Amino acid sequence: KAGVTQTPRYLIKTRGQQVTLSCSPISGHRSVSWYQQTPGQGLQFLFEYFSETQRNKGNFPGRFSGRQFSNSRSEMNVSTLELGDSALYLCASSPGTSGSQGLQETQYFGPGTRLLVL
Amino acid sequence: KNEVEQSPQNLTAQEGEFITINCSYSVGISALHWLQQHPGGGIVSLFMLSSGKKKHGRLIATINIQEKHSSLHITASHPRDSAVYICAVKGAQKLVFGQGTRLTINP
Repeated sequence: KAGVTQTPRYLIKTRGQQVTLSCSPISGHRSVSWYQQTPGQGLQFLFEYFSETQRNKGNFPGRFSGRQFSNSRSEMNVSTLELGDSALYLCASSPGTSGSQGLQETQYFGPGTRLLVL
Repeated sequence: KNEVEQSPQNLTAQEGEFITINCSYSVGISALHWLQQHPGGGIVSLFMLSSGKKKHGRLIATINIQEKHSSLHITASHPRDSAVYICAVKGAQKLVFGQGTRLTINP
């Protein structure tokens, strides 16, 4: 099976712009999670989607949003970019269990999208 | 105080040594993850635990729910084990990550 793919791999934006990142999970996986990694804050959890619904959410402002499509592919959007949004954005997929609260399965990570905000 | 604390932050050892990385957390959890991140940035999930002990090759992970503590052990360490090891706990609605332990194994 192909692994988790993320596009684009690298992106440069300027302050105030918005950006959309894409994540394609492993075939058959229904849960997709998003993470931000910066040198100062380390890894932080953004949100998790399962069956097109946000199931878990981290402590990020409303400028960070996401969605999941019926084929389980997911997008993450950041509006009104700030310099501090420069980071590696990772997504991960897992098989997904409808009865669970999520994030209790092995996470399979993509290579990440490196975003630089100037 | 961070919800998830890892120790040590940095660890350098010689090839063949037994390695232990610790993770303590202060919140109620339903699962704990150990992740490995190599210098190129790719993250690999090593273990997901909710109780007891798991073993995979030279890696062993344990968790003590009552003491809110988990350990990752590496037996017969090898230079290819050099990476950052990160623990993450699943709380009420999110994953919370430790700051990571940078492990360097010298030949």
